[in-house]
Amino acid sequence: AQKVTQAQTEISVVEKEDVTLDCVYETRDTTYYLFWYKQPPSGELVFLIRRNSFDEQNEISGRYSWNFQKSTSSFNFTITASQVVDSAVYFCALIPGANSKLTFGKGITLSVRP
Amino acid sequence: DVKVTQSSRYLVKRTGEKVFLECVQDMDHENMFWYRQDPGLGLRLIYFSYDVKMKEKGDIPEGYSVSREKKERFSLILESASTNQTSMYLCASIGGQNTEAFFGQGTRLTVV
Repeated sequence: AQKVTQAQTEISVVEKEDVTLDCVYETRDTTYYLFWYKQPPSGELVFLIRRNSFDEQNEISGRYSWNFQKSTSSFNFTITASQVVDSAVYFCALIPGANSKLTFGKGITLSVRP
Repeated sequence: DVKVTQSSRYLVKRTGEKVFLECVQDMDHENMFWYRQDPGLGLRLIYFSYDVKMKEKGDIPEGYSVSREKKERFSLILESASTNQTSMYLCASIGGQNTEAFFGQGTRLTVV
């Protein structure tokens, strides 16, 4: 069975603060993919990043960065210098091998105050 | 530009009606999923399909059925809508050997 845990439920920060969203996963498969999605108030799930289990390199995209560590089964997401537009619900998800389920964490509601 | 399209953004139906939610993808993906999202419960998987005419139950299939007659279209059917099926429904399309996973814009269904 697979599982994704996002222990933080709500985070509130002031604009320009850095914030890290945690994601811990469980799977028995050796090949799997991890995803992060952003869900703004409009409701659509916006794809942010995909990482496969064989690639532990950290990734940076503008103010966003991701830290993947297989040793701790974590795939954490950091927003640097947060902005009000970053306010949304963020989901971490896992899919193992072919013909498998895409499993989500419960999501983290991020509020960035001006 | 990749696209997953759900037939309706907002829908209001009466209790007992048969409801069809349609999802179409243009990426030639093998796998398609239906989720519902409720406050405090996150996204819960209803059904998924990894090939035409194939379907698998997810975590909460009761009260729902699905149809996948063509690769690009995955329909969710509420046989007899009930008020506890009022929710946001999200369709996902996954392919490229699980490297691509995109969602439709969501359908907010209200059953009155």
